[in-house]
Amino acid sequence: LAKTTQPISMDSYEGQEVNITCSHNNIATNDYITWYQQFPSQGPRFIIQGYKTKVTNEVASLFIPADRKSSTLSLPRVSLSDTAVYYCLVGATGGGNKLTFGTGTQLKVEL
Amino acid sequence: DTAVSQTPKYLVTQMGNDKSIKCEQNLGHDTMYWYKQDSKKFLKIMFSYNNKELIINETVPNRFSPKSPDKAHLNLHINSLELGDSAVYFCASSLATGDYGYTFGSGTRLTVV
Repeated sequence: LAKTTQPISMDSYEGQEVNITCSHNNIATNDYITWYQQFPSQGPRFIIQGYKTKVTNEVASLFIPADRKSSTLSLPRVSLSDTAVYYCLVGATGGGNKLTFGTGTQLKVEL
Repeated sequence: DTAVSQTPKYLVTQMGNDKSIKCEQNLGHDTMYWYKQDSKKFLKIMFSYNNKELIINETVPNRFSPKSPDKAHLNLHINSLELGDSAVYFCASSLATGDYGYTFGSGTRLTVV
């Protein structure tokens, strides 16, 4: 599985847009990019997944450049409740493919 | 309507004991997993079952034995518990193909004293 690198931590204020970038230089042709969010004492929660260009849902946007060697998770207008650890993962889809988590990015949102 | 439920949520036990953690999903998923999150918050896969068949078995001590009676259940039995087994154990499920979205349970915090 492609290794990912993301910042260990980020700080932001309520109402700001937060962009978390993930580097995955060795991404394979059939790999997808998936982001998860984890609150303390909870299991990770699926946020968004994409293969190329841009994907948007009600929670976030995912930007993937043409070379797919990096991706950026964009959280619009964060609130205190967005304080969590965000994990970037790359891999092929489907069960049986190991979902390997990196260290994640601890996002702290303040007033 | 809990999608992936684990019991118990907390488990405190002495070294050498045997314990089990149960997991059930009502999403109709084909594949289920056990993950371990240690004190440094690293999430590592332990096992994966697809429709009751073991498909992923990472380097886990054989004191850990998963059991899947049907595709909606994946239990984890741990023999001769050790201090180093203390961690949060997460159960997860997904479709066998296509969507890469995993649904995780809320975790079982195991403390071995």
